[in-house]
Amino acid sequence: EAGVTQSPTHLIKTRGQQATLRCSPISGHTSVYWYQQALGLGLQFLLWYDEGEERNRGNFPPRFSGRQFPNYSSELNVNALELEDSALYLCASSFRDRGQETQYFGPGTRLLVL
Amino acid sequence: AQKITQTQPGMFVQEKEAVTLDCTYDTSDPSYGLFWYKQPSSGEMIFLIYQGSYDQQNATEGRYSLNFQKARKSANLVISASQLGDSAMYFCAMRDNDMRFGAGTRLTVKP
Repeated sequence: EAGVTQSPTHLIKTRGQQATLRCSPISGHTSVYWYQQALGLGLQFLLWYDEGEERNRGNFPPRFSGRQFPNYSSELNVNALELEDSALYLCASSFRDRGQETQYFGPGTRLLVL
Repeated sequence: AQKITQTQPGMFVQEKEAVTLDCTYDTSDPSYGLFWYKQPSSGEMIFLIYQGSYDQQNATEGRYSLNFQKARKSANLVISASQLGDSAMYFCAMRDNDMRFGAGTRLTVKP
């Protein structure tokens, strides 16, 4: 069974540009979470999508946005990039069954803003 | 306010011994989930174990067990028989209406 996939693996942009990151969940998983992990720091919750709807978002400005498609894959868009947006962006897919929940992470996209 | 607290920035353990990584949490939601993840130097996040707030028994997965003390709002991870490959960052996380991670504990297993 394929795990969570993310593309691209690395992305280099300049300030003011826009970045699009993609995530494909594990087959059968309907929830997708996005996180930002800046260098040497823990994970900061960005967005949570479930069944195509945005369920919640973390404390990030509106230039961080995303969507979930009918096949449950998801896209994270970051507009007007700033230097401090440089980080590892991780996507996780989630499935709940009979009270048990599993969240599996993708390998991440390393975004560098110059 | 911090929802997830990991008070041990770093821990050392001798190979083959057990180690406990601390995690406390704060939520008013009666329904929540607690997770532990391992992040090796390669950067990947590896799911280890899950505990639901309504689960009566502590979760176990192989050498990993979660010491869930609901009244104290703690969810400590116990790793038995430590191996050199266990050296990594360990993150505790909680999902209520969002998902929050602790700052992590760096575990080093000494031979």
